[in-house]
Amino acid sequence: GQQVMQIPQYQHVQEGEDFTTYCNSSTTLSNIQWYKQRPGGHPVFLIQLVKSGEVKKQKRLTFQFGEAKKNSSLHITATQTTDVGTYFCAANAGGTSYGKLTFGQGTILTVHP
Amino acid sequence: GAVVSQHPSRVICKSGTSVKIECRSLDFQATTMFWYRQFPKQSLMLMATSNEGSKATYEQGVEKDKFLINHASLTLSTLTVTSAHPEDSSFYICSATGGGNEQYFGPGTRLTVT
Repeated sequence: GQQVMQIPQYQHVQEGEDFTTYCNSSTTLSNIQWYKQRPGGHPVFLIQLVKSGEVKKQKRLTFQFGEAKKNSSLHITATQTTDVGTYFCAANAGGTSYGKLTFGQGTILTVHP
Repeated sequence: GAVVSQHPSRVICKSGTSVKIECRSLDFQATTMFWYRQFPKQSLMLMATSNEGSKATYEQGVEKDKFLINHASLTLSTLTVTSAHPEDSSFYICSATGGGNEQYFGPGTRLTVT
């Protein structure tokens, strides 16, 4: 089945530093989504990227979708303690699997004040 | 909008008993609901896809007779863990879509089987 590799698994930063997590797929994706899960909580939808080379911003968060639609990244500028949590990418292969997501392993972000 | 509830939030049961978990979309009609399992500090593993009025589609390796899914209405899906064993202890999360691609997750159910 489809696999999505996400790195790094863990990231520890000082408050104010930047943070980036990456996702890679061996197959072309219909779209890719990003979710955030706070400790003890459930995943919350952040954004969906659909177009090749797409870049979207949400305040300090920047999301990119690769030109080949096989990779994506999430970059947080000047992290804050409220950014703590696990960030997951989730790929949608489309076709008969429309709507079904394959989640990356997640990156656990720790922010030290 | 797009709120999904899950009940119960926590359940402890004895080995051999069955547990039912409910997933409800509160303010939208969910055309599709998904059931995931998550172990500590790990990713979400899709167990099955549930469409209202039809049989659930299970992922490879998931026993359909052990994890019974019923999607009786556009706002309710249930997962029943039958004859639970300690290895079934996990965090079970449902999600729902209303026709778009994004999934809205319930708060999860932490199951402990003793």
